[in-house]
Amino acid sequence: TQLLEQSPQFLSIQEGENLTVYCNSSSVFSSLQWYRQEPGEGPVLLVTVVTGGEVKKLKRLTFQFGDARKDSSLHITAAQPGDTGLYLCAGDDTGNQFYFGTGTSLTVIP
Amino acid sequence: DAGVTQSPTHLIKTRGQHVTLRCSPISGHKSVSWYQQVLGQGPQFIFQYYEKEERGRGNFPDRFSARQFPNYSSELNVNALLLGDSALYLCATGTSPAEAFFGQGTRLTVV
Repeated sequence: TQLLEQSPQFLSIQEGENLTVYCNSSSVFSSLQWYRQEPGEGPVLLVTVVTGGEVKKLKRLTFQFGDARKDSSLHITAAQPGDTGLYLCAGDDTGNQFYFGTGTSLTVIP
Repeated sequence: DAGVTQSPTHLIKTRGQHVTLRCSPISGHKSVSWYQQVLGQGPQFIFQYYEKEERGRGNFPDRFSARQFPNYSSELNVNALLLGDSALYLCATGTSPAEAFFGQGTRLTVV
């Protein structure tokens, strides 16, 4: 079973602070996705990274795929209350299924 | 454009009963995947269908089954429900198996 471990599991920060969420695995993935999920809703795709070492920016969010395509990070600059949610990483092995991480629950306090 | 649509949104069933969950994909999407998400955990893969054929199956008992119809919509069936089947069931669709756009989910409660 391919496992993706995310850290930290829970994170509570003040508005305006920066944070980084990590997603690690011993397996190599052809691509990796980051999602944000609100309570009672389905995950919403934020970004897909495909190439080892790739960095993608989405406004205040920066995503990086590790050189070996086994790990990834999500960095949020100047967090806002609207960033609150469950952040999930998911690795795609051959396109037949996604393996989801354990999730990071982020709370941004106004 | 309509997103991925799942029905029903909420469902309460008794142990031993059977349940059918439905998913309508985004127009043009031919891949449908089903996931189970227990509270506090990430989604766990159940099935994937692409072009009406099963392409992948997760580590779930035979009580779980699914199918994809000619219009690419899909059903997930669960027989002999157990309390542990209570979860948010998510459907994800894409133009290929490498894509996953999620619906809002069906919250199943087994009592």
